[in-house]
Amino acid sequence: EPEVTQTPSHQVTQMGQEVILRCVPISNHLYFYWYRQILGQKVEFLVSFYNNEISEKSEIFDDQFSVERPDGSNFTLKIRSTKLEDSAMYFCASSLDPQGHTDTQYFGPGTRLTVL
Amino acid sequence: DQQVKQNSPSLSVQEGRISILNCDYTNSMFDYFLWYKKYPAEGPTFLISISSIKDKNEDGRFTVFLNKSAKHLSLHIVPSQPGDSAVYFCAASAQQNQGGKLIFGQGTELSVKP
Repeated sequence: EPEVTQTPSHQVTQMGQEVILRCVPISNHLYFYWYRQILGQKVEFLVSFYNNEISEKSEIFDDQFSVERPDGSNFTLKIRSTKLEDSAMYFCASSLDPQGHTDTQYFGPGTRLTVL
Repeated sequence: DQQVKQNSPSLSVQEGRISILNCDYTNSMFDYFLWYKKYPAEGPTFLISISSIKDKNEDGRFTVFLNKSAKHLSLHIVPSQPGDSAVYFCAASAQQNQGGKLIFGQGTELSVKP
C-alpha cells in the first residue's frame, strides 16, 4: 500500500540553525500538507500546498517557515532559524483530490525535531 | 483554538465490548469529519470519515455517527480488540478552507483490555 515517508525520523539542532524536513508524498497525490504536534498538545495545521504554491497557511507559519517541492517526488519544510518552541513532531500529509477538502489526508510517520 | 473537542482524554474497554469515542465541534461551517488512530512514534492513520450530508458511515467494525444539530460525532468500535488500543483523534474541515486544513481534537487514548 502506498504511504507517505519522512526523513529524518529525528533531527536535533541548535537554536538559530536552519533545518530542512523532507517528505515523499504518495505518488499520485496532488495536495500536500505539514502539521506539527508539540508534546502534549493537539496536532496543528501549518500549511497546505497545491500546484506549486501555498494554498493556505496558519498563523504559526511565519516568515521563518517555507515549503518547496524541489522535484517531482519530494516536499520539504524549511525552518530558517530554529527556536526552542519549534521542538515538536512534524507530520507531512498528502491527498489526491485537487480540491483537497473532502479527500482523505494520509500522514507520514513524522520527524521529531529537537531544538537545543 | 477549541473548535474541535474530545472531552475524554482516556477510555478503557473490555475486549469484545463496544468502544464509543466522542467528539464535539463548535464551527457550524465544518462539513467533513474524519477519525484517525495514532500509535506512539507513528503518524495518524486514517480510519473513517463522514460528510455532513450523512448521519452515519460504516466500515467493518467502525461506525461514525454525526449529529449536526448537536454538533457532535462519535466513533463506535464493535467488537473492540486489544490491537485497537491507541490514541484516537477526530478532525474536521470546512469547504470554505479550500486549502483542506484539518482541525484536530485533543485525542482520546483507548485501552482495550483482554
